[in-house]
Amino acid sequence: GESVGLHLPTLSVQEGDNSIINCAYSNSASDYFIWYKQESGKGPQFIIDIRSNMDKRQGQRVTVLLNKTVKHLSLQIAATQPGDSAVYFCAEIYTGGFKTIFGAGTRLFVKA
Amino acid sequence: GAVVSQHPSWVICKSGTSVKIECRSLDFQATTMFWYRQFPKQSLMLMATSNEGSKATYEQGVEKDKFLINHASLTLSTLTVTSAHPEDSSFYICSARQGADTEAFFGQGTRLTVV
Repeated sequence: GESVGLHLPTLSVQEGDNSIINCAYSNSASDYFIWYKQESGKGPQFIIDIRSNMDKRQGQRVTVLLNKTVKHLSLQIAATQPGDSAVYFCAEIYTGGFKTIFGAGTRLFVKA
Repeated sequence: GAVVSQHPSWVICKSGTSVKIECRSLDFQATTMFWYRQFPKQSLMLMATSNEGSKATYEQGVEKDKFLINHASLTLSTLTVTSAHPEDSSFYICSARQGADTEAFFGQGTRLTVV
């Protein structure tokens, strides 16, 4: 299947600090991108999305940045809280097709 | 957001038996559903794309005769793991989308353990 089966990199941050999680996507034709949060033993939950005609989108405490030139996506979490501890995946979609392809994921640990 | 329900949430079966996992979109019609497999500490690996009323499209390396997918209605897709072996033990997750340019909603996953 598509997507990379690597062991997850880990980001450890202090409670209250900002977190930045990065993702490289693979298909230059992808035009829709989503960040998901996955807690242990659960399915992924939608956090925020961005379309390829934008380079930045803000939500509540989260911001997604898209750099199409280098096929890079980032998720910024402001004032990180213990409840933010989870695995975060970026997903890319080419809306001319149907697949949602996941990146490798990053495990976020928030230290109290 | 929309709700996708996956059942069962966990199952233990004997080697050689078959297991069926259901994925239902509860409050929307999903023309397309996806099945993923996830090993511990790894990302989600797309197994197949399931379109209502037609045959599923399997990703390279996924055995279609082993992982049978049926998408009989706009709200239900099933994955049957046939003749399960211990190496099939994994976390299986489905997702559903209403359209190509909308977010996918995920089920809660099914933990399959084959003993």
